[in-house]
Amino acid sequence: DVKVTQSSRYLVKRTGEKVFLECVQDMDHENMFWYRQDPGLGLRLIYFSYDVKMKEKGDIPEGYSVSREKKERFSLILESASTNQTSMYLCASSSTSGTPSYEQYFGPGTRLTVT
Amino acid sequence: ILNVEQSPQSLHVQEGDSTNFTCSFPSSNFYALHWYRWETAKSPEALFVMTLNGDEKKKGRISATLNTKEGYSYLYIKGSQPEDSATYLCASHLNNDMRFGAGTRLTVKP
Repeated sequence: DVKVTQSSRYLVKRTGEKVFLECVQDMDHENMFWYRQDPGLGLRLIYFSYDVKMKEKGDIPEGYSVSREKKERFSLILESASTNQTSMYLCASSSTSGTPSYEQYFGPGTRLTVT
Repeated sequence: ILNVEQSPQSLHVQEGDSTNFTCSFPSSNFYALHWYRWETAKSPEALFVMTLNGDEKKKGRISATLNTKEGYSYLYIKGSQPEDSATYLCASHLNNDMRFGAGTRLTVKP
């Protein structure tokens, strides 16, 4: 079974702190994604990566950056956390090859609170 | 429809009731439609992936249909059980872009 793990389930940070959210997948997937989930809204894509050292902006990249130094690890960085970044953050991975087409496998999520 | 929309936003049913909810998506440049089930404190789990117009998928008491021409998919749960309580997400895969709906939150009361 594919396993996607995230470094923390719950995190509380202060405004202005630098925050690192780590995601690791064990299925050699090429693609990795970071989303945030807010009440009443769908999962919104922050950043994604199709390969090591490669990154692409999603729909809401402002205030975030990412790092993918190894294929299995994709990190989300909040350079200076703000209260409007309080949210549930989900990491996902998918394979470019095989079926079902581009099915994404998700981690359990990190609920981040910025005070 | 520019976005993926799900209805209703939330649903409360009694154990044993059958229920269904809707996912609407842009029908142009369609590639695949995904349904996920997301239980509290767990990872979203894939239920179905459908690609062809008229596709029907079934897993136990849960089934889904797909109409790519008019841009909608239905998810059905027959004889709901308390363990079916979860948020059901749909996502439309258009070209290389995956768009998620806001989900339908289902609560099944014993």
